[in-house]
Formats: sequence, C-alpha cells, structure tokens
Amino acid sequence: NAGVMQNPRHLVRRRGQEARLRCSPMKGHSHVYWYRQLPEEGLKFMVYLQKENIIDESGMPKERFSAEFPKEGPSILRIQQVVRGDSAAYFCASSPGEESEQYFGPGTRLTVT
Amino acid sequence: QQQVKQSPQSLIVQKGGISIINCAYENTAFDYFPWYQQFPGKGPALLIAIRPDVSEKKEGRFTISFNKSAKQFSLHIMDSQPGDSATYFCAGAISGTYKYIFGTGTRLKVLA
Repeated sequence: NAGVMQNPRHLVRRRGQEARLRCSPMKGHSHVYWYRQLPEEGLKFMVYLQKENIIDESGMPKERFSAEFPKEGPSILRIQQVVRGDSAAYFCASSPGEESEQYFGPGTRLTVT
Repeated sequence: QQQVKQSPQSLIVQKGGISIINCAYENTAFDYFPWYQQFPGKGPALLIAIRPDVSEKKEGRFTISFNKSAKQFSLHIMDSQPGDSATYFCAGAISGTYKYIFGTGTRLKVLA
C-alpha cells in the first residue's frame, strides 16, 4: 500500500509565477490536509479537504492560495504570483476519516527566487 | 492559547545516552499529544502518542511522560543511537478533530 505521494519534491519558481503542488492520498483515504513548514518552524495547518469539498481553510492566506480535491485525481495546492516569503516545505497528509491518524507525505520544497 | 512550545531547539547526545525533549501546551482542551519523527527530506512520521488519562507511555526505547497539572509533556529516548538523529515534533490536538498544533521542532544529533 503506497504511502502519501507528493510531487514535485522540489519546485523552483521566480517571483510572480504560479506554483502547483500535488498530493495523492493513501489508498482508501478520502481526507486530505495541507501543512506549511517554514525554516526552523513547526508545521502549520493550512487547509482540510474531502473529495470535492473544502472543509476548513482557516490556515490559508486569504490571497493567492487555493486548494482543491477533485472527484478524480490528486489534491492540488495552488499558489499564484509567488513571493519569496512563500518559500517553504509544503506537506500533505491524509487519513481515512476525520478522527483518524494523519499520515504525511514527503513534502514539496518550494523555492522562490 | 493554541501554542505548543517545544525545547530545546537542538540537542546533541552521545550514543547510549538519554535524549529528553520537552513540550508545554496552553489549550486545556487538548487531549491527544503525538510525537513525530522527521528525517531530512522526508515527511513527519508518527512515533508515539499519549492521552492525558495516563502519566507515562513507553514503546521500546521511547517514553512519553505527561504532567497534566503543569500542562507539560516530554519525550525520552533511552540508549540513543545515531539512527535516532532526526527532527522531533510534538503536537497537541483535540480528540476527534483534525487540526494538530505542532511545536517548533527539536533537531537531535546522536554522536557515534
């Protein structure tokens, strides 16, 4: 049973470009969570999604960030017009239910130049 | 009130020694406290977790001690090994919810 998969593992974008981060949850998991980890900091919750629904986006910046989890395909975290402050590791986690343990993917390291 | 404070930021321990990482929380509604281990380039992986109805939980060389009145909990790694070198995160959460509040992490290095 493959774990949570994220791609790309590393992403370099110039300021003003768009970044798209993908997350495929573990088989049988329909709950996806995105976290951001800034250098020397812990993980910060961004958004919680179920298939085709955003359940909680209270940790998402109000502008430029969006997330989706379509009926088919991976969950996508989209950052428009990236700025240097967006440079971080973005982790996706999945679980079979809301009250279940979250399993983390290897992360995508975004560098904005 | 949502913070989880973790210390130390970094820790160097000799092989065979005891590694101790401390966390303190503010939200008294938290009733689930997991510890995650993260190796470079990897995602965090659940190591061990505790609920406040017990004061200690042990799994192999890893032990969580929990002090509810002080709102503190700690991870002890006995007989530390170089393979334990990683970043460790504590977290707090309310059972049945999904929003984990993570500490800032402790970078552990175990010298051979």
